[in-house]
Amino acid sequence: DIVMTQSPDSLAVSLGERATINCKSSQSVLYSSSNRNYLAWYQQKPGQPPNLLIYWASTRESGVPDRFSGSGSGTNFTLYISSLQAEDVAVYFCQQYYTTPLTFGPGTKVDIK
Amino acid sequence: QVHLVESGGGVVQPGRSLRLSCAASGFTFSSYTIHWVRQAPGKGLEWVAVIWDHGSNRDYTDSVKGRFTISRDDSKNTLYLQMNNLRAEDTAVYYCTRDGGGSYPLYYFDFWGQGTLVTVSS
Repeated sequence: DIVMTQSPDSLAVSLGERATINCKSSQSVLYSSSNRNYLAWYQQKPGQPPNLLIYWASTRESGVPDRFSGSGSGTNFTLYISSLQAEDVAVYFCQQYYTTPLTFGPGTKVDIK
Repeated sequence: QVHLVESGGGVVQPGRSLRLSCAASGFTFSSYTIHWVRQAPGKGLEWVAVIWDHGSNRDYTDSVKGRFTISRDDSKNTLYLQMNNLRAEDTAVYYCTRDGGGSYPLYYFDFWGQGTLVTVSS
């Protein structure tokens, strides 16, 4: 199984400042024939189901604010929130869809400082 | 718009069975791959099972193989998860999720239901 890890476990950022969340996979999720990274990011607010933010490591889902962006390739990925808003308080998960079993990172909790 | 509504959760004793349902609307259900993903209370996310459009393929995480069966009734726009021989570690909120790939499954999740809680306890 591909093991996903995230860092940090939690972080507190001032409103308007940037939040950075890292995700690492135990093996590459880059499919060479398509040159695509099979990596997605989700946001989960308390009491709600997860919400898709990013897929293909850097493609923003329709309707997601452009302050959210993703980067990385191979085994190392990053989610950025460029200017943190109060409504961004949530837990963020990465997920690999390179192979089954599909696996998620443990989550990173983002709070306001 | 897309709606996924799970039902069938509850409290069940270890070793017993439960069937979850997921009613879909707002999209052409029969053309989509659908998954079950679960989340134990206060924990992370775990993919459980997938069924391709028209039921052409199914797959499961190892811990539920032989105990859980995913199925669909496209005439009713409904997904099912038959869970047999339940264990305490199956306790979780179970989410029905739509695959983001449309007619070609990609195995990320673009819409989620609100989930249904399954508690396995004596």
